[in-house]
Amino acid sequence: EVQLVQSGAEVRKPGESLKISCKASGYNFATYWIGWVRQMPGKGLEWMGFTFPGDSKTKYSPAFQGQVTISADKSISTAFLQWSSLKASDTAIYYCVRKPAAAAGRGWFDPWGQGTLVTVSS
Amino acid sequence: QSVLTQPPSASGTPGQRVTISCSGGSPNIGSNTVNWYQQLPGTAPKLLIYSNGQRPSGVPDRFSGSKSGTSASLAISGLQSEDEADYYCAAWDDSLNESWVFGGGTKLTVL
Repeated sequence: EVQLVQSGAEVRKPGESLKISCKASGYNFATYWIGWVRQMPGKGLEWMGFTFPGDSKTKYSPAFQGQVTISADKSISTAFLQWSSLKASDTAIYYCVRKPAAAAGRGWFDPWGQGTLVTVSS
Repeated sequence: QSVLTQPPSASGTPGQRVTISCSGGSPNIGSNTVNWYQQLPGTAPKLLIYSNGQRPSGVPDRFSGSKSGTSASLAISGLQSEDEADYYCAAWDDSLNESWVFGGGTKLTVL
């Protein structure tokens, strides 16, 4: 069974750094894109970006380029989403998603991780 | 303001057929396939329809999707109480700011 299991909820203060993770299992991690989708409280879904673990290629949404870093470690089949300086507006649930190997603009997101709630508050 | 436009809400009674629309433009729905996701209350989204009208294994055939021009729609027939959820359409946008874009979501209420 293909599964994406994310790290637990986090609480941070504005200005702090954070790295959350998504552990994949049940498939060849290197041959699918893996990325992140944000859902702010009571709001809709926003695609943030992907990485392709096979060659470390990344593709970011223009809205999130420079705001976060997406990476992956093939040796442990785990993807990461990282912030260097959090803002209160980063408070949201973050979902990791897998996308079939194809161009960045082809395919679909399946499965989804269970979500990681990030709360940024002073 | 989402790039793809969905009605914020929809409703129906058990057994009814409900459709949810998703309107876009040439760079997104007009040029690429559409996927639909279902988010049950308090849970992560789940793939419901991919490539305009394909159902992943395990998704009941009560759910169907279609696309025409720059619009897409999701139909749910034989509505059931467990279909009460938020539904999102998504497509790749080929414009200058290449990106996956979502609709704002439609909250489906089963009366």
